[in-house]
Amino acid sequence: LAKTTQPISMDSYEGQEVNITCSHNNIATNDYITWYQQFPSQGPRFIIQGYKTKVTNEVASLFIPADRKSSTLSLPRVSLSDTAVYYCLVGDGTDKLIFGTGTRLQVFP
Amino acid sequence: NAGVMQNPRHLVRRRGQEARLRCSPVKGHSHVYWYRQLPEEGLKFMVYLQKENIIDESGMPKERFSAEFPKEGPSILRIQQVVRGDSAAYFCASSPARSPYNEQFFGPGTRLTVL
Repeated sequence: LAKTTQPISMDSYEGQEVNITCSHNNIATNDYITWYQQFPSQGPRFIIQGYKTKVTNEVASLFIPADRKSSTLSLPRVSLSDTAVYYCLVGDGTDKLIFGTGTRLQVFP
Repeated sequence: NAGVMQNPRHLVRRRGQEARLRCSPVKGHSHVYWYRQLPEEGLKFMVYLQKENIIDESGMPKERFSAEFPKEGPSILRIQQVVRGDSAAYFCASSPARSPYNEQFFGPGTRLTVL
């Protein structure tokens, strides 16, 4: 499974847009890009998934360039409750998930 | 519509005792995964099971750890003769089937403390 690299931490203020970029240079043809969110003392929660171009749901958007070697999770107008760790994962969905250390997002009032 | 259930939520054991962690997957899900998370770290895969079968146990320590997912009942992660280094949060996840998607549904975790 491809290894991912993302910033260790990010700070933001309420109402701002937050973009978290993930690098996955060795992504395979069959791999999807998936983002999970984890609050303290809870299990991770699926946020969004994509294969190429742009995907949007009620929570976030995911931008994937043509070469698929990176992806950007975009959180519009964050609130305090978006403070969490965000994990970028790549894989073909047929096996275990490989979690990195994630990006710790802190939202300030 | 219950999600993944794990119990107990907190478990305290003394060194040398056994720890049994239970996981009930989402109803209808036949794939179960166990992960371990140390403080300030990401989750580390341990084992992947389908009903009555271990599919991938590449993340399981060779000794003291075992897992099962019987035909009936929850999946069990068993740690024998626990040591302080086993203290961690253990998460169970389930999925309905193999697919090209990476969505797994996680439980709330069991926090194991070894004294």
